[in-house]
Amino acid sequence: DIQMTQSPSSLSASVGDRVAITCRASQSISKYLNWYQQKPGKAPRVVIYAVSNLQHGVPSRFSGSGSGTDFTLNISSLQPEDFATYYCQQSHTTPYTFGQGTTLEIK
Amino acid sequence: HEQLVESGGGLVKSGGSLRLSCGASGFTFSDDYLNWIRQAPGKGLEWIAYISGSGNSLSYTDSVTGRFTISRDNAKKSLFLQMNGLRAEDTAVYYCARGVDPYCRGGNCYSFNLWGQGTMVTVSS
Repeated sequence: DIQMTQSPSSLSASVGDRVAITCRASQSISKYLNWYQQKPGKAPRVVIYAVSNLQHGVPSRFSGSGSGTDFTLNISSLQPEDFATYYCQQSHTTPYTFGQGTTLEIK
Repeated sequence: HEQLVESGGGLVKSGGSLRLSCGASGFTFSDDYLNWIRQAPGKGLEWIAYISGSGNSLSYTDSVTGRFTISRDNAKKSLFLQMNGLRAEDTAVYYCARGVDPYCRGGNCYSFNLWGQGTMVTVSS
């Protein structure tokens, strides 16, 4: 199975800050890397697909980059609604696997 | 408006069975790969199974192989998960989700692009 490792596991930031969350795959997954946002008690929603593509309706302050095994989710100018848990996920090979999650908290 | 709605969760004893359903609306359905993904209380996300649009291609994660069966009824726009031999470690919120298409050639078919609200399954030991 492809292991997905996110860092950090948790992150405290303020409204207006820029943050980065990284995700490393245990083997190359080409462009098959997605990012999800989940708020408490809600289903996840995709924010970035195929490394760097912004899902329709997601604000442009979200961006993704990377290739091969190393990927980054950037959020510029944090807004109150961005505080949530973020997961990376590989869709290269089954079983499709997720990172352990990064909880973004208000400082 | 595209939507997935799960049902069928509940409390079941260890070794018991449960059948989850997921109803779809607002999209074609028969063209789409569908999945079940679960989340144990306070834990991360775990993909457990997919089924192709035709129903001819299936895949499961190892921990449920032989116990769970994914199926679909395209005429009724419904997805199912038959869960047998339930264990305490199967306790989770179960989500149905659209995607991933292994033959994706563009657009957002690389990810789980539509999710239901989830249904809770609790297995008591």
